[in-house]
Order: sequence, then C-alpha cells, then structure tokens
Amino acid sequence: NAGVMQNPRHLVRRRGQEARLRCSPMKGHSHVYWYRQLPEEGLKFMVYLQKENIIDESGMPKERFSAEFPKEGPSILRIQQVVRGDSAAYFCASSRREVGVDTQYFGPGTRLTVL
Amino acid sequence: GESVGLHLPTLSVQEGDNSIINCAYSNSASDYFIWYKQESGKGPQFIIDIRSNMDKRQGQRVTVLLNKTVKHLSLQIAATQPGDSAVYFCAENGGYQKVTFGTGTKLQVIP
Repeated sequence: NAGVMQNPRHLVRRRGQEARLRCSPMKGHSHVYWYRQLPEEGLKFMVYLQKENIIDESGMPKERFSAEFPKEGPSILRIQQVVRGDSAAYFCASSRREVGVDTQYFGPGTRLTVL
Repeated sequence: GESVGLHLPTLSVQEGDNSIINCAYSNSASDYFIWYKQESGKGPQFIIDIRSNMDKRQGQRVTVLLNKTVKHLSLQIAATQPGDSAVYFCAENGGYQKVTFGTGTKLQVIP
C-alpha cells in the first residue's frame, strides 16, 4: 500500500516562472491537505481539498497560488510568477475522512528553490 | 490568535533514558491532538494522537499526556534510541478540518 506520493521532490525555478507541485494521496483517501514549511519552523496550513472541491483555502495567499484536486489524477498546487520568498518545503497530506475523524498521512514533500 | 507552541526548542537525551517533550496550546476548543516526528529531509510521520476526552494514551514506547486544565500536552518516549533523533511537532485540530502545528522540538540522542 503506497503512501502519499509527491513529485517532484526538488524543484528549482527562476523568479517569474511557474511551479507545479503534484500530490497523489494514499489509496482510498479523498481528503488532501497542503502545508508549507520554512527551515526550522513548523508546518503552516494552506488548503484543504476533497475531490473537485476546495473546502478551506484560508491559509493560501490570495494571489499567485492555486490548488486543485480533480476527479481523476493528483492534486496540484500551482504557484505562478514565483518569488524568492516562495522557497520552502511543501508537504501534502491525505486522509480517508476529515482530520479529527481520521489520521492524515504526509508525503515526503517538494522542496522548492527560487533563484 | 490561537496557537500551538513548544517550551524547548532543543532537547538532548542520553541513549536509554526517557525523553519528555512538552507542548502548550491555547485553543480551548481543540478536541484532537497529534504528535508527529519529522526526520531531516522527510515528511512528518504520525506517532500518536489523543482526544480531549482522554488524559493519557500509550503506544509502543510512547505515551501522550493531556492536561486540559493548563492546556498542556506532552510526549514521553521510553528508552530513547538514536533513531528517535528528529524534530517532534505537536498539532491540534480545533474543531476545524485542518491541523495547526507548533514550531517543533529537536530531540538529540547522545550515544
């Protein structure tokens, strides 16, 4: 039973380019969460999605960031026109039901570096 | 605003000793708490959880204690091993469908 998959593991972009981060949840999990982590800090919630729906995007910057979880395929976190401050580790987690009812499991993360 | 924080940023423990990692939370509405372990370069790994209707929960070599009166959570690791070296996060679910993480405590196990 494969865990949460994220790719790429490392992503380098120049300022102004777009970054696309992908997350495949565990089998049977329909709830996906994205978090961002800066070095030596905790994880900050960004967005919570279910299939084809954004449930809570209160942690997502209003501009340049978007997320989707289509009916088929992985969840995508998209960052347009990246800036140096976007450099961080981005983690995806999935759960069978909503957190608090079910445990969420994390992927290995994508480390984004903006040059 | 509501937050989850840790008392100590770094904890050094001799191999074989017990470790205690503490966490304070401020959201009195939180009803579910989780401890995660994060090794360098990896994602957080679930260790143990506890609901607000419990004071204590035990796992394999780990125990979580919850004191709702003072809003305090602790993780006890028995017979600490080198493989326990990592950053440990407490997290809370305050009734919302997301988890709020503390800043983390780095556990260093001295051989």
